[in-house]
Amino acid sequence: EVQLLESGGGLVQPGGSLRLSCAASGFTFNNYAMSWVRQAPGKGLEWVSSISGGSTSTSYADSVKGRFTVSRDNSKNRLYLQMNSLRAEDAAIYYCAKGKYQLPKAYYFDYWGQGTLATVSS
Amino acid sequence: EIVLTQSPATLSLSPGERATLSCTASQSVGSYLAWYQQKPGQAPRLLIYDASNRATGIPARFSGSGSGTDFTLTISSLEPEDFAVYYCQQRSDPLTFGGGTKVEI
Repeated sequence: EVQLLESGGGLVQPGGSLRLSCAASGFTFNNYAMSWVRQAPGKGLEWVSSISGGSTSTSYADSVKGRFTVSRDNSKNRLYLQMNSLRAEDAAIYYCAKGKYQLPKAYYFDYWGQGTLATVSS
Repeated sequence: EIVLTQSPATLSLSPGERATLSCTASQSVGSYLAWYQQKPGQAPRLLIYDASNRATGIPARFSGSGSGTDFTLTISSLEPEDFAVYYCQQRSDPLTFGGGTKVEI
């Protein structure tokens, strides 16, 4: 059974940093691209970042480029999102999502974690 | 960036009725479109990918159609558990989602 479990959310002041983590199990982790998708309170879904299975390729939404860094540790089956220079508009539930295909790009998301909440406020 | 516009924003229906949800892309996405369902307090769930393929475990009452810029998600006969928010998503870089359609009783 595929499981994705996010952690690392919390309250941070504007300009601060958070590091999100996602523990994956139930599939061959290094074969799949992984992504972060966020959802601001009461709003829709926004793709944030993706990383290929071997970490050779990463991509970011323009809204987070230069501030967020996605990475993974395939030996630990973990996905990470380092979030720096946080803004109020970054406040959201952050979901870890698995790419549907064994391809470098995510394309679609067939499994999602339950999310971790990042709150940015002074 | 490809913008996806979903309509209507809210669809008020009763169990047993047919639901038709629309997603329009700002430029052609071919057949590369997915639909997700999200219930309150839950993560999204993949329903349909590549416009018309049902994901694993998705009931046959869910169907997708369309290509190019116009897509439709149809729920043939609404079950109580189908009342939720539905999002479309296209797979060209950057990945984008529509704003969602809420299906309510």
